[in-house]
Amino acid sequence: NAGVTQTPKFRVLKTGQSMTLLCAQDMNHEYMYWYRQDPGMGLRLIHYSVGEGTTAKGEVPDGYNVSRLKKQNFLLGLESAAPSQTSVYFCASSGWVAYEQYFGPGTRLTVT
Amino acid sequence: GENVEQHPSTLSVQEGDSAVIKCTYSDSASNYFPWYKQELGKRPQLIIDIRSNVGEKKDQRIAVTLNKTAKHFSLHITETQPEDSAVYFCAASESSGSARQLTFGSGTQLTVLP
Repeated sequence: NAGVTQTPKFRVLKTGQSMTLLCAQDMNHEYMYWYRQDPGMGLRLIHYSVGEGTTAKGEVPDGYNVSRLKKQNFLLGLESAAPSQTSVYFCASSGWVAYEQYFGPGTRLTVT
Repeated sequence: GENVEQHPSTLSVQEGDSAVIKCTYSDSASNYFPWYKQELGKRPQLIIDIRSNVGEKKDQRIAVTLNKTAKHFSLHITETQPEDSAVYFCAASESSGSARQLTFGSGTQLTVLP
């Protein structure tokens, strides 16, 4: 039981490049979330999903897109990376009954 | 939307002393309040949570209190140990909705001095 996993762990992009971050969970959770964490600002919700095939915007969605084609996977895409998107990205999931969100190990993204 | 404020941003205590971190929230509909601990370079991990129908919850050295009227909740750590040093985040959620979005505070860096 791996819990929540994220790939890649680290990535450096040039401005304007695109990339996809993958989140996978093996706990059969309905809810999945993408956060970004910046120094002194806590975690901010980018997008979330309440089930397979559904996505919705969070607090800071601009510049990102998401997809949830399979219940266990939640993808975060950056179409044209900007230096302001330099951050640590965390994926999380939670089940229908319990409210606890389980976090992945994070992806450190640097955009130059 | 919800706004969560957390204080203090940094806290240093002597080993064995108690530590208290406070959070306020703005949305009276919020009814789920978790606390997460994040060690350097690691993922946030839930340490305790409380629902709005409960005023206090305790788990060994950790306790959380909630005052719904004043819209604030606090984390109390007693008999602190060096391994308690980490960043602590509070959060609030309107858990009856379909999204269960968490709004996080900005974090408290706790340092326990030996």
